[in-house]
Amino acid sequence: DQQVKQNSPSLSVQEGRISILNCDYTNSMFDYFLWYKKYPAEGPTFLISISSIKDKNEDGRFTVFLNKSAKHLSLHIVPSQPGDSAVYFCAARKDTGNQFYFGTGTSLTVIP
Amino acid sequence: NAGVMQNPRHLVRRRGQEARLRCSPMKGHSHVYWYRQLPEEGLKFMVYLQKENIIDESGMPKERFSAEFPKEGPSILRIQQVVRGDSAAYFCASSPRTGVSSPLHFGNGTRLTVT
Repeated sequence: DQQVKQNSPSLSVQEGRISILNCDYTNSMFDYFLWYKKYPAEGPTFLISISSIKDKNEDGRFTVFLNKSAKHLSLHIVPSQPGDSAVYFCAARKDTGNQFYFGTGTSLTVIP
Repeated sequence: NAGVMQNPRHLVRRRGQEARLRCSPMKGHSHVYWYRQLPEEGLKFMVYLQKENIIDESGMPKERFSAEFPKEGPSILRIQQVVRGDSAAYFCASSPRTGVSSPLHFGNGTRLTVT
């Protein structure tokens, strides 16, 4: 049962434009959400997180938006750079749990 | 990623052999997680450990798989009598504590190939 879903396996964006990666979840007990970036042959690297008490968190070019009523979060990257090309995973955790549940990832390609 | 050390990076085993994957968490981190990524799939939780304790192993297959995190030394994920379906990337992650604001920090993984 996939509790965190990334329905777009891939996304291509022109350099300088905005990249929007989406993630949906099914469990209303999740209250901590994260985005990770992964290059081939490397482990996931933590990018940005948000707790359920917020609806937006920003860190440089990266902004995460959380819509709890829709059980949806998104990652905005602006402006996109070729070095952003990677697989992006969203993840979520319940406040009482130990597990982080990961989506299946979205492969982002930023075209120079 | 450099903070969490996993070895070996690549491991080849024949069917029926044992695989041992090691993970040293980041300095100051006492919580270790193991995840598995099968080809074309996301990261699947396997087990969560603290020093000398298995806290949550709900993602571990019931047979052939075991994990430990001793008082001294790295965490070990052990797979006995490997089969081809065990071929995957195994990632270890650590965090300093449980809690809402503690992200996981991952190692670069061990890629297990079963021939």
